[in-house]
Amino acid sequence: EAQVTQNPRYLITVTGKKLTVTCSQNMNHEYMSWYRQDPGLGLRQIYYSMNVEVTDKGDVPEGYKVSRKEKRNFPLILESPSPNQTSLYFCASSLSPGQGKAFFGQGTRLTVV
Amino acid sequence: DAKTTQPTSMDCAEGRAANLPCNHSTISGNEYVYWYRQIHSQGPQYIIHGLKNNETNEMASLIITEDRKSSTLILPHATLRDTAVYYCIVRLHSGNTPLVFGKGTRLSVIA
Repeated sequence: EAQVTQNPRYLITVTGKKLTVTCSQNMNHEYMSWYRQDPGLGLRQIYYSMNVEVTDKGDVPEGYKVSRKEKRNFPLILESPSPNQTSLYFCASSLSPGQGKAFFGQGTRLTVV
Repeated sequence: DAKTTQPTSMDCAEGRAANLPCNHSTISGNEYVYWYRQIHSQGPQYIIHGLKNNETNEMASLIITEDRKSSTLILPHATLRDTAVYYCIVRLHSGNTPLVFGKGTRLSVIA
């Protein structure tokens, strides 16, 4: 089954404690991206990757890092989480950068206290 | 600037067709119209997309006006599981063009 898998689904952490949210897709997609969703602000793109070893900033990259060492995986790293990073996070993948048909993961609800 | 305008909310009786409108009066000639939906904090789900012609798939139909300034997503026989926020998005098919989700339309399907 074609899918994008995020882990964990829920996470509560403390300010400053490094964390990684994993994202994996099984569709051999080139393009992957991370979004965060906050009430009243909709979904905003954090980072994206056009292919292996090719990543770039989206609209709200501050406080986040990503890596793309393999085509299937695109982890989101918070080196020093802060309370303003409390949000619902989604990973998405699509066949190519121009392809608008994206598959989204089930989401990671992060709370930073 | 918002590229699309959608009603905030709509109700639909179960079993009836749900017609969700979207205004995109500033759409350019090479921008596509995409529809996604999000069921209660789950990941957004792709529904359908089109450029000029009407499109139909197993989930829905997309009707685009001849001037392309508006479109309608049609769920032919709405069920309770179709209750969701529906997003209309216009985008190019090139490079990193992130999906820009506006506020969408909250569709409530009522038994």
